[in-house]
Amino acid sequence: SQTIHQWPATLVQPVGSPLSLECTVEGTSNPNLYWYRQAAGRGLQLLFYSVGIGQISSEVPQNLSASRPQDRQFILSSKKLLLSDSGFYLCAWTVDWHQETQYFGPGTRLLVL
Amino acid sequence: KNQVEQSPQSLIILEGKNCTLQCNYTVSPFSNLRWYKQDTGRGPVSLTIMTFSENTKSNGRYTATLDADTKQSSLHITASQLSDSASYICVVINQAGTALIFGKGTTLSVSS
Repeated sequence: SQTIHQWPATLVQPVGSPLSLECTVEGTSNPNLYWYRQAAGRGLQLLFYSVGIGQISSEVPQNLSASRPQDRQFILSSKKLLLSDSGFYLCAWTVDWHQETQYFGPGTRLLVL
Repeated sequence: KNQVEQSPQSLIILEGKNCTLQCNYTVSPFSNLRWYKQDTGRGPVSLTIMTFSENTKSNGRYTATLDADTKQSSLHITASQLSDSASYICVVINQAGTALIFGKGTTLSVSS
């Protein structure tokens, strides 16, 4: 069966510090991978998606970046965090958007102080 | 501009009662419409997926309907349980599958 992992579960970081959130998927190959952010009182916002190794599409320009160094690994990074980066970050995967359910990871709660 | 609007923003009902959540969208053409349930502090879990040609889809006590002409969808919950307390999110995917438009969700609280 397929599983998706995210870590850390919770993170408190000072403004201006770097960020690295990791997402890994097990039990499938060549998945489409997605990073979302959910800010307090707001809906899910798609940040990045990737259809393959090294292929990253950005939906919203901001101080975040994403990388996919391996087929089942998706990393969300920032060089300098802003207060507005606080939120709940979710990683998700799917095989085919038109046919398949999108499966979400447990999420990482980030608080920037 | 593609938008997905959900109503009400929040809802409180008694255990055992039924309720209906609404989703209006402007995404056109679209590939499919999904309803997710998100428990507090957890990732969303898919409830239903409907293509533009489907009118209704059920998953246990959850029934989703879709009217592509009026661009409206609803999620009906029957005989609510305390565990139904969560945020319910409507998501519309465009025809190319390149855009995912999320509603802000409806927060449902079921009390005993």
